[in-house]
Amino acid sequence: SQKIEQNSEALNIQEGKTATLTCNYTNYSPAYLQWYRQDPGRGPVFLLLIRENEKEKRKERLKVTFDTTLKQSLFHITASQPADSATYLCALERGYQKVTFGTGTKLQVIP
Amino acid sequence: DVKVTQSSRYLVKRTGEKVFLECVQDMDHENMFWYRQDPGLGLRLIYFSYDVKMKEKGDIPEGYSVSREKKERFSLILESASTNQTSMYLCASSHQTSGSYEQYFGPGTRLTVT
Repeated sequence: SQKIEQNSEALNIQEGKTATLTCNYTNYSPAYLQWYRQDPGRGPVFLLLIRENEKEKRKERLKVTFDTTLKQSLFHITASQPADSATYLCALERGYQKVTFGTGTKLQVIP
Repeated sequence: DVKVTQSSRYLVKRTGEKVFLECVQDMDHENMFWYRQDPGLGLRLIYFSYDVKMKEKGDIPEGYSVSREKKERFSLILESASTNQTSMYLCASSHQTSGSYEQYFGPGTRLTVT
């Protein structure tokens, strides 16, 4: 069956460092992968999409990579700030504009 | 500014009651989704609609039904609420030709069934 794993439930890092979050999947061949941010008590907010033929995508301090051979996406936040503290979700395409979400990684950036 | 609104932020219902959760989007999106979110299980798709009056079951449709009579409104119905339907319910919408397939989420409804 299809499975998505996000590396850990929680990740703590020091302010200014680069946060790296992992999304691994099995039994999928997604045409694209998305990353969302979710703050407590709120709905997820879209951050980035990367397609299967793209190796890397950047947006300001965010960088996403997509390795279809390893079946893995890495999500990087450079120069992290306390305001980046949130839960980050990866979502894999599963046909007709639907996605399957991972369970998320809770990132805490410590001042 | 794009907006997805949900009828209630918090709702408490009794076992066996019929529950309606309403979602409205103002972006003229074709696609609308209902998810539930539970700790450790993440977001799970209940139902999906790609057009007015069209619906498709998601991963966990049992105990739920939906209605989409107008493009902007997508309702989730719990026919007979049970305690295992206590959860956070999130509605989302997306544009079919957006390119990014970005889903816009509402703020969620935290439903407690006692």
